[in-house]
Amino acid sequence: AQSVTQPDARVTVSEGASLQLRCKYSSSVTPYLFWYVQYPRQGLQLLLKYYSGDPVVQGVNGFEAEFSKSNSSFHLRKASVHWSDSAVYFCAVSMNSNYQLIWGSGTKLIIKP
Amino acid sequence: EAGVTQSPRYAVLQEGQAVSFWCDPISGHDTLYWYQQPRDQGPQLLVYFRDEAVIDNSQLPSDRFSAVRPKGTNSTLKIQSAKQGDTATYLCASSLAGQDTQYFGPGTRLLVL
Repeated sequence: AQSVTQPDARVTVSEGASLQLRCKYSSSVTPYLFWYVQYPRQGLQLLLKYYSGDPVVQGVNGFEAEFSKSNSSFHLRKASVHWSDSAVYFCAVSMNSNYQLIWGSGTKLIIKP
Repeated sequence: EAGVTQSPRYAVLQEGQAVSFWCDPISGHDTLYWYQQPRDQGPQLLVYFRDEAVIDNSQLPSDRFSAVRPKGTNSTLKIQSAKQGDTATYLCASSLAGQDTQYFGPGTRLLVL
């Protein structure tokens, strides 16, 4: 069965520092890959997505993610975080063209001043 | 353009009571999803519709949960006899068929005492 693992429940970084949030998936085929962000009291919002091609994809607000087929991973990165990036980040995958999503458990990002 | 709207935003029930959640998707979106998101977990798909038809309700606890979308626009999710284990946030999302991006509402936070 397909699954998504986000091994870090919480990540704390200082404002201005770089960030990596980890995501690993289990699938017999390369899925469609997504990162969503959930700000407090708001709905989930798409940050970026990957289907094929260049393994590094750019998203909104300076986020990018890198797909690795050999590692079955899709890690999210940002060069310099801002306090407004404080949120919960979810990795999700879809195995079919119906785009039914399988979600990770989320990583809460805490920004230290 | 208005986003996905949900009501109520919060609900508190005693076990055994019934509750209904309402979702208004983005205008023109033919696909609508209901998710359950327990605290500190990722969303879990309950059911999704294309227009008024149920495409997949395999994860819906059918003995107590029901969902309808009679005119292919708004949708209602109902819990007949709530249990403490139903405590979660209920998310509604919509998309266009064949499009990968789901747009989420702010959710309804349910607490069952």
